[in-house]
Amino acid sequence: NAGVTQTPKFQVLKTGQSMTLQCAQDMNHEYMSWYRQDPGMGLRLIHYSVGAGITDQGEVPNGYNVSRSTTEDFPLRLLSAAPSQTSVYFCASSYASGLQYFGPGTRLTVT
Amino acid sequence: KQEVTQIPAALSVPEGENLVLNCSFTDSAIYNLQWFRQDPGKGLTSLLLIQSSQREQTSGRLNASLDKSSGRSTLYIAASQPGDSATYLCAVGAGQNFVFGPGTRLSVLP
Repeated sequence: NAGVTQTPKFQVLKTGQSMTLQCAQDMNHEYMSWYRQDPGMGLRLIHYSVGAGITDQGEVPNGYNVSRSTTEDFPLRLLSAAPSQTSVYFCASSYASGLQYFGPGTRLTVT
Repeated sequence: KQEVTQIPAALSVPEGENLVLNCSFTDSAIYNLQWFRQDPGKGLTSLLLIQSSQREQTSGRLNASLDKSSGRSTLYIAASQPGDSATYLCAVGAGQNFVFGPGTRLSVLP
């Protein structure tokens, strides 16, 4: 199993650009989530999904969109990048109330 | 709103010592609690998951306890090694929403 994979590993965007962070898992987990990690703020939940076709907002959803068309994939879209979205982004997956498995992260810089 | 704190923020110990990391949370209505390890510039590695009905979980040199009524969990590391140096995070789960603590940065000196 590859576990949870994320692409790209690093990305630099200009303010106003859009992009999609990719996340995929091969463990057939129902639950998938996106977090951002910032110094002094810890990890904060952006969006999550409890199954294909079902998504919901977390603590900091503004400026981000998600969709879940398959069990395996859970992309995160930045609609119009802002410097405040400079962060490290982590995707995670799990069974219900089970161990969360994290991807290696995407380090995003918005200039 | 659930708030999670971890004490101490940083800890430095000589190799071989037993140590305890603390995690506190404000809302006892939780489904589970998970401890993670994060190495610099890396993702999170799950160490232990305790369901709300459990009191403790063990894996090798690691033992995690949970006291829901007092809003506390501890991670005990026995016979620490330099390879244990990392940041340790606890996360409190309520449904699919996990709230993370700020972490404890551990350094184990050879």
